[in-house]
Amino acid sequence: GQNIDQPTEMTATEGAIVQINCTYQTSGFNGLFWYQQHAGEAPTFLSYNVLDGLEEKGRFSSFLSRSKGYSYLLLKELQMKDSASYLCAVLDSNYQLIWGAGTKLIIKP
Amino acid sequence: GAVVSQHPSRVICKSGTSVKIECRSLDFQATTMFWYRQFPKKSLMLMATSNEGSKATYEQGVEKDKFLINHASLTLSTLTVTSAHPEDSSFYICSARDPTENSPLHFGNGTRLTVT
Repeated sequence: GQNIDQPTEMTATEGAIVQINCTYQTSGFNGLFWYQQHAGEAPTFLSYNVLDGLEEKGRFSSFLSRSKGYSYLLLKELQMKDSASYLCAVLDSNYQLIWGAGTKLIIKP
Repeated sequence: GAVVSQHPSRVICKSGTSVKIECRSLDFQATTMFWYRQFPKKSLMLMATSNEGSKATYEQGVEKDKFLINHASLTLSTLTVTSAHPEDSSFYICSARDPTENSPLHFGNGTRLTVT
């Protein structure tokens, strides 16, 4: 079956760095997405990785290793507004998105 | 960049009525659009894949007659929740694929449906 695993909840301190991991097993691979979702709102696109390596975009970076079925989202200089759920999703061979359950990130002052 | 517009963002309706949700790709042609539903504390569930000019493909367990999908043009797909019931209250999100981009899926802002 298809499976996406990510931690349920993480806590970090304002100004610090946090890494959210995601492992996946899917039928085919056409890229991996990270989305941010605040409660009651639609997901906001953060990053898309289809090749191995690190993609940096401001305070957020995303890493992919296709051979390991592994990705992480790195958030630097954490701000209170970063408190949200972070969703990992993989585009499978049929271009359907397989979603992880999301990681709730709690930022403390 | 490419944008997907979803309307309305919030809707409250009475039980038994129908609600139409629109999803538009604003600056690209989307031959395929996807409709998702999000349940509380759960990830997004794919409901159906909407194909321009043909019938939508529904996921197992999704009632075709209840969730009517029409993809009449390359920039518009609609989801109609017919004879809505309180259990249909949820967050519905559409996405569209821009085949010309390296990031092929763009999401609308979602529609919060509340059925009273």
